Amino acid sequence: DQQVKQNSPSLSVQEGRISILNCDYTNSMFDYFLWYKKYPAEGPTFLISISSIKDKNEDGRFTVFLNKSAKHLSLHIVPSQPGDSAVYFCAASAVGSNFNKFYFGSGTKLNVKP
Amino acid sequence: GAVVSQHPSWVICKSGTSVKIECRSLDFQATTMFWYRQFPKQSLMLMATSNEGSKATYEQGVEKDKFLINHASLTLSTLTVTSAHPEDSSFYICSASGLGHEQYFGPGTRLTVT
Repeated sequence: DQQVKQNSPSLSVQEGRISILNCDYTNSMFDYFLWYKKYPAEGPTFLISISSIKDKNEDGRFTVFLNKSAKHLSLHIVPSQPGDSAVYFCAASAVGSNFNKFYFGSGTKLNVKP
Repeated sequence: GAVVSQHPSWVICKSGTSVKIECRSLDFQATTMFWYRQFPKQSLMLMATSNEGSKATYEQGVEKDKFLINHASLTLSTLTVTSAHPEDSSFYICSASGLGHEQYFGPGTRLTVT
């Protein structure tokens, strides 16, 4: 049972425009969310995170929004650059003894066109 | 940022043989290491969590006798795929975490069993 879902397998955006990647989760116990970026044949690299006490976290061109009532989070990249082309995974974890056990979505492949 | 290495980066082995994959945290002490498996175009699936000096905790459906995990030190964890079969062919990724919440991922190991 997939507790974290990324329903869009791919997204294509023009350079300079905004990229919006979406993620939904089902477990209301999740209280910490992360976005990872992954290039082919490489491990994921951490991008940005947000805890459930916030609804927005911003780091440079990357902003993550959290809507707890909808169990939905999104990653905004603006302006998008060709180097942002990669697969983006969202991940979630819950407080408690398994706080560092991450549940990953299936990823969204972002293509930023020059 | 924290660096995690994996060795080998790719390996081809014959069916029935065993393969060992190493995961090292190069510049920090990893109290917990994780092993993931990724099938093409799918999510990272957590296989097991290991804490230094103790037995690994395996996720449901993962055979502990087939996927042997050893976390002998704060900088090294190994995954041994025993009696490998073609269906074990996959991309195996480790991650490590220290005292914080983030996980730092290795570059992954591509295993092909012929």
